Amino acid sequence: QQPVQSPQAVILREGEDAVINCSSSKALYSVHWYRQKHGEAPVFLMILLKGGEQKGHEKISASFNEKKQQSSLYLTASQLSYSGTYFCGTRTLARQLTFGSGTQLTVLP
Amino acid sequence: DGGITQSPKYLFRKEGQNVTLSCEQNLNHDAMYWYRQDPGQGLRLIYYSQIVNDFQKGDIAEGYSVSREKKESFPLTVTSAQKNPTAFYLCASTLDGDRIYGYTFGSGTRLTVV
Repeated sequence: QQPVQSPQAVILREGEDAVINCSSSKALYSVHWYRQKHGEAPVFLMILLKGGEQKGHEKISASFNEKKQQSSLYLTASQLSYSGTYFCGTRTLARQLTFGSGTQLTVLP
Repeated sequence: DGGITQSPKYLFRKEGQNVTLSCEQNLNHDAMYWYRQDPGQGLRLIYYSQIVNDFQKGDIAEGYSVSREKKESFPLTVTSAQKNPTAFYLCASTLDGDRIYGYTFGSGTRLTVV
């Protein structure tokens, strides 16, 4: 079953923060986050494993709430280069990675 | 540099034709995947392979076929049985079946029915 992402779209000004959420009805083993620019391949950002860890680098980080089967991606002090569509992918022990429908992020100058 | 090469970048198919999309990787990854992406939607899994000479159906395998004769190669054939093949097709690979490492994607093939 496909994870649910929210919001579907968000528009920011440079320097503003954003949060993208991903939730599943299944018990998750891991959560992936990817960013895709228009017409290009998705690029891997990070993976969060069962255990509720928070990961990140620079101004993009993520958390995984194992009890709620939810993950959130945090983008702080957004830059123009952050624009794109963000996908979460969720994996259970029984199923391969399943992607959400994406969140379109637009950062304006 | 290591990576995944998909070809062709654009492909046009006539009604009733079979076409094959190429995917080659030099990352020494065991697992390879094919995804379909429709406009404004997420990625849906067509087929995947975790080892040479073995592959499994994904969520939307009908009308598609694959082979995995070599570790480096995972071609996808879109058959005439696939009634709505126009889409962006992405090939991906991963080192450990995505248990710890993320996917590396190719640059995609855009298939259009004419």
